[in-house]
Amino acid sequence: GAGVSQSPSNKVTEKGKDVELRCDPISGHTALYWYRQSLGQGLEFLIYFQGNSAPDKSGLPSDRFSAERTGGSVSTLTIQRTQQEDSAVYLCASSLVRVNYGYTFGSGTRLTVV
Amino acid sequence: AQKVTQAQTEISVVEKEDVTLDCVYETRDTTYYLFWYKQPPSGELVFLIRRNSFDEQNEISGRYSWNFQKSTSSFNFTITASQVVDSAVYFCALIPTSYDKVIFGPGTSLSVIP
Repeated sequence: GAGVSQSPSNKVTEKGKDVELRCDPISGHTALYWYRQSLGQGLEFLIYFQGNSAPDKSGLPSDRFSAERTGGSVSTLTIQRTQQEDSAVYLCASSLVRVNYGYTFGSGTRLTVV
Repeated sequence: AQKVTQAQTEISVVEKEDVTLDCVYETRDTTYYLFWYKQPPSGELVFLIRRNSFDEQNEISGRYSWNFQKSTSSFNFTITASQVVDSAVYFCALIPTSYDKVIFGPGTSLSVIP
């Protein structure tokens, strides 16, 4: 596609439920990144994919968080047993080959856990 | 350490004033890339500029200009004749070539008052 597409744009969920956030990167971009931005905070790195593999998962805050990427394209970030502190904007970005070409960000998914 | 510091948390200026957003970085790498991103109230991160460590030439794009000084490890961003539409959070970012992810600064929130 022309840009990085994220869905849903907004998600309200009850504490304890599981959620799935989707990212559709720019066609041909092999690198895909997930970041989290809590209210008034900077960007927190979560996970990086190169193709379908995730060489860097160091930012995932707990084992309730997981992500996968299939076909070198769409990625899904799953949060199990959501907690209120998971409320944030989850941003996806993609890059051609390597990140030093610069990211293109999606518009994010605003997750609210009530 | 690999780090980006944006010491100004919030700045308010009156429309048509010039404003400079400071960015200081730390890296062990001799080759690296620097970026500025804008995040307007809509939330999407917009790429503004990418510089590599070998190119210290300053750049001007319309009302925007960037001053890259390796001697002081700074990459400052100036907006001339600010406008209300410039109100946003601005992130400075660093990619050392030994990394595969972007190191973001904490952001500077700019408010331009009419």
